[in-house]
Amino acid sequence: AQSVTQLGSHVSVSEGALVLLRCNYSSSVPPYLFWYVQYPNQGLQLLLKYTSAATLVKGINGFEAEFKKSETSFHLTKPSAHMSDAAEYFCAVSDAGAQGAQKLVFGQGTRLTINP
Amino acid sequence: KAGVTQTPRYLIKTRGQQVTLSCSPISGHRSVSWYQQTPGQGLQFLFEYFSETQRNKGNFPGRFSGRQFSNSRSEMNVSTLELGDSALYLCASSLRSGGASEQFFGPGTRLTVL
Repeated sequence: AQSVTQLGSHVSVSEGALVLLRCNYSSSVPPYLFWYVQYPNQGLQLLLKYTSAATLVKGINGFEAEFKKSETSFHLTKPSAHMSDAAEYFCAVSDAGAQGAQKLVFGQGTRLTINP
Repeated sequence: KAGVTQTPRYLIKTRGQQVTLSCSPISGHRSVSWYQQTPGQGLQFLFEYFSETQRNKGNFPGRFSGRQFSNSRSEMNVSTLELGDSALYLCASSLRSGGASEQFFGPGTRLTVL
C-alpha cells in the first residue's frame, strides 16, 4: 500500500524567506502525488500534482515541487513566503487499488507559520 | 462553475443517533469520495462512488455507509454515533475515477457528537 510521510508537523519561516515542506512517499508503482493546502475552517485546495509528465511541477500561488525518484521525495517549495501562505499543507499519494478506483492517502500535514 | 457543496456545514448530535451528510459534486463530475479528518488520525479515506457504484472503501466500521444518486450527488450516513465520530467530513469530486484524477474538495461538514 502507498504511504506518505511529511517531515515536520510545524514549520515557521519569515516573510520573504524560502518555504520548504518535505514529503517522502512509499509506493510499489509509479506514484501520482499531490500537494493540498487547507486554510482554517475550509476544505482542501489542490496546489499541484505529479503524474509523471515532468519532474518539476509548478502549481498555484508560486509553489512548485520536484519529484525525485531516487530519494522517493516530493518536496514543496516557494522562493519567497507571503503572510497569506500561512495554512496547513498536505502531501498525498493516490492509491488506486485493484479496480483502478481512487483513494488519496495523506500525510499528517505540516502547519506553516509566517513571521512578519 | 460552482464548486463542491456540502450540507449541512455544522451538526451537533448525541451518542446513539444517526446522521446523514450530503454532497453535491461539481457539475459533470461523476466520482465522489469521502474523507474523515480528525486531529488524532488526520485525513482518512472513507469511500468512493462512481456512477452510483461504490468502487473503494476505507477501513471504517459498517456504521459508515454511503450512496450516490443518478445525478452524482452523494450522501453518507453514520449510524449509532460514537464520541469518536466527531470530525470534519470532507467530500471530494473528480471528473472520473482513477489515480491521476484531480479531486476537488468541498468545505466539509463539522460533526460534533456529545
